[in-house]
Amino acid sequence: SQQGEEDPQALSIQEGENATMNCSYKTSINNLQWYRQNSGRGLVHLILIRSNEREKHSGRLRVTLDTSKKSSSLLITASRAADTASYFCATDPVSGYSTLTFGKGTMLLVSP
Amino acid sequence: DSGVTQTPKHLITATGQRVTLRCSPRSGDLSVYWYQQSLDQGLQFLIHYYNGEERAKGNILERFSAQQFPDLHSELNLSSLELGDSALYFCASTPGQGASPLHFGNGTRLTVT
Repeated sequence: SQQGEEDPQALSIQEGENATMNCSYKTSINNLQWYRQNSGRGLVHLILIRSNEREKHSGRLRVTLDTSKKSSSLLITASRAADTASYFCATDPVSGYSTLTFGKGTMLLVSP
Repeated sequence: DSGVTQTPKHLITATGQRVTLRCSPRSGDLSVYWYQQSLDQGLQFLIHYYNGEERAKGNILERFSAQQFPDLHSELNLSSLELGDSALYFCASTPGQGASPLHFGNGTRLTVT
């Protein structure tokens, strides 16, 4: 079963615009991670935010985490055509075995 | 390049057949995870090996099995293949046992006809 659920399923924007993707999850977590997947390729880790952190930045990426709402958001600023990809959140649950559970992803299309 | 190598890249086979997918983790990584990605189910965790020992099983069918060898490479064996097994199969590696960032290979695309 999916722990994280991304929203929206698909997002289409113009270059230079910001892109925001959201992730909701169900159980308590140790950390939440965002990954990117170019078409047909392997996933690439973007950023990890721990449960005691509220916000984290990496280049043009900004991630927020609200553990009370069990939600996270990924903001990509000043999008480029090369940002076109699918973006997945993955959660590391507190209880049970520590393995990442992925959502179904948000497909982002950035048009020149 | 993640440093994780998966072979073959593509595999086309018939129903009822058996295939073996291979994964070489990043140098120094002791954990190997296998995931299946399909359009309807998303990315599903199958199994995790750490330093040659099975650590956890996820949604892995009984027709599927895996192992990790002393040189740390891993193989995923899929038998009695069905059309529904068509998917992308990824392996990922990490240095330890925890769910630290995963380093994914580029996957094996399996098509069962």
